[in-house]
Amino acid sequence: EAGVAQSPRYKIIEKRQSVAFWCNPISGHATLYWYQQILGQGPKLLIQFQNNGVVDDSQLPKDRFSAERLKGVDSTLKIQPAKLEDSAVYLCASSPGSGNTEAFFGQGTRLTVV
Amino acid sequence: GESVGLHLPTLSVQEGDNSIINCAYSNSASDYFIWYKQESGKGPQFIIDIRSNMDKRQGQRVTVLLNKTVKHLSLQIAATQPGDSAVYFCAENSGGGADGLTFGKGTHLIIQP
Repeated sequence: EAGVAQSPRYKIIEKRQSVAFWCNPISGHATLYWYQQILGQGPKLLIQFQNNGVVDDSQLPKDRFSAERLKGVDSTLKIQPAKLEDSAVYLCASSPGSGNTEAFFGQGTRLTVV
Repeated sequence: GESVGLHLPTLSVQEGDNSIINCAYSNSASDYFIWYKQESGKGPQFIIDIRSNMDKRQGQRVTVLLNKTVKHLSLQIAATQPGDSAVYFCAENSGGGADGLTFGKGTHLIIQP
């Protein structure tokens, strides 16, 4: 079974530029998550989708971050404009459904804002 | 602040010894806990989980213990191997409609030959 796919693996941008990350979850997984992992810390949930609807975006900085999952499969996370403190690894994860179940993570996209 | 955290940032053990990684959580409503392993440059990898109606669960070479009285979780790794070197995170889910996990900061497990 293929895992969660993310691209790009690495991205370097200047502050105030925009950037987008892409995630393809495990086939058939209804729930998709985006996490932000700053160096030396644990992942922090940004947004959770159930199919194409948002379940939780309470920790998403909505003034600059946006995410969508239009057809309930792939998802994109966008940052516009980026700040230095957005430098982190952005992890996508998916799980079969809602409730207490294991989430499967992709390798992440390492973003460096200079 | 963090609702889930780990006591030690780094744990160094001899190869072949048993490792114990601890975690404290503060949300008494948490009903599901997971231990993840994260190697450098990779995403977190599931190790073992436990629900709040249990106090112990065993997997292959790993055991998770849950003490709800003191809100403490531990991961025991038997006969530690070089491949166990990684950062270990505990994560909790307080249930409800949204089930995103809350992670602690992690413990870096170092295996000495």
